[in-house]
Amino acid sequence: DSGVTQTPKHLITATGQRVTLRCSPRSGDLSVYWYQQSLDQGLQFLIQYYNGEERAKGNILERFSAQQFPDLHSELNLSSLELGDSALYFCASSVGGRSEKLFFGSGTQLSVL
Amino acid sequence: AQKVTQAQTEISVVEKEDVTLDCVYETRDTTYYLFWYKQPPSGELVFLIRRNSFDEQNEISGRYSWNFQKSTSSFNFTITASQVVDSAVYFCALMMDSSYKLIFGSGTRLLVRP
Repeated sequence: DSGVTQTPKHLITATGQRVTLRCSPRSGDLSVYWYQQSLDQGLQFLIQYYNGEERAKGNILERFSAQQFPDLHSELNLSSLELGDSALYFCASSVGGRSEKLFFGSGTQLSVL
Repeated sequence: AQKVTQAQTEISVVEKEDVTLDCVYETRDTTYYLFWYKQPPSGELVFLIRRNSFDEQNEISGRYSWNFQKSTSSFNFTITASQVVDSAVYFCALMMDSSYKLIFGSGTRLLVRP
């Protein structure tokens, strides 16, 4: 158990809908990362937050947004969902430095039908 | 630019064979960090090792060993006497000192047959 909690584990929804994925980092970790894993794109970095502030941005679509709250949990919001958004979404946390290892949650499997 | 290449998509070996997973990276930074992660069938990504760019010492941990060579921009991973439980997808990843993005390679799926 990595100590990173992601909910829900599975999510099935329809095209055009909006969903929210939630992540609770390990106790003491200030940094949260979001990744998307799909068969064709592999593991894609989406966005990173550190202590409530956005610190790095990757290939995140404009339809996607994220935030980190004062209690350090994070939410990834996906809107106007398309079939191609079906993927496994991982959250990871670390204390915050660049050289530190990331601890990954078990992921949220999103299926857009 | 920052890039990680794992050219081996899938490797299949028989138990007890040694196997090496290749990783080649690209970065303009002189300071950077390299990682290996394992993703077993259960799906969760598990950290294996971290290496920084100014430490080229090879590392051995049990049946696992890592060979870091800056001259060839490679950070290869060897499993000695492989076991069925080693079957997983293995990812190499890179973080530059100028960025907080941890970029992953496409992964190598290792199948260890009994």
